[in-house]
Amino acid sequence: EAQVTQNPRYLITVTGKKLTVTCSQNMNHEYMSWYRQDPGLGLRQIYYSMNVEVTDKGDVPEGYKVSRKEKRNFPLILESPSPNQTSLYFCASSLIGGSEGKLFFGSGTQLSVL
Amino acid sequence: SQQGEEDPQALSIQEGENATMNCSYKTSINNLQWYRQNSGRGLVHLILIRSNEREKHSGRLRVTLDTSKKSSSLLITASRAADTASYFCAYDYKLSFGAGTTVTVRA
Repeated sequence: EAQVTQNPRYLITVTGKKLTVTCSQNMNHEYMSWYRQDPGLGLRQIYYSMNVEVTDKGDVPEGYKVSRKEKRNFPLILESPSPNQTSLYFCASSLIGGSEGKLFFGSGTQLSVL
Repeated sequence: SQQGEEDPQALSIQEGENATMNCSYKTSINNLQWYRQNSGRGLVHLILIRSNEREKHSGRLRVTLDTSKKSSSLLITASRAADTASYFCAYDYKLSFGAGTTVTVRA
């Protein structure tokens, strides 16, 4: 089944404890992206990757890192999480990037930073 | 990047009625997409309309695009309880999403 898989689904952590949210897609998509969703603010893009060689900041990259060492995986890393990073996170992928790309989303990761 | 602005923020309708929501944007576009999100789940792509198209249909969905007004509308006809969701538009290179329109369909 074609899908974008995020793990974990729920995560509670404490301030400053490094964490990684994994994202994997099995559709051979070039483009992958991370979003966070907060009430009243919609989805805001954190980072995106046009392909294995190109990764760039989105609208809210501060406090996050990403890695695209292989096409299928695009982990989101929080080196030192803070309470303002408590949010619902989504990974998405598409065959091509840009406005032509039809995005496929993962099921989301609800992160709470205490 | 620019976020689409969906309007209204929330909409409550009776089953069988039509639901209309709008998206306004600020830049010129190549195309615009609409997505649906069911309660906290990942977004699902609904439809893509290109800048040279004025209207597009997909099942009970009708999307219009007015590039002169920089706006698009999504119409859901004969709504069902399963249409209860949030709806988002996205259009720029980085596909930014606004806060969406939350639609509640009452039985």
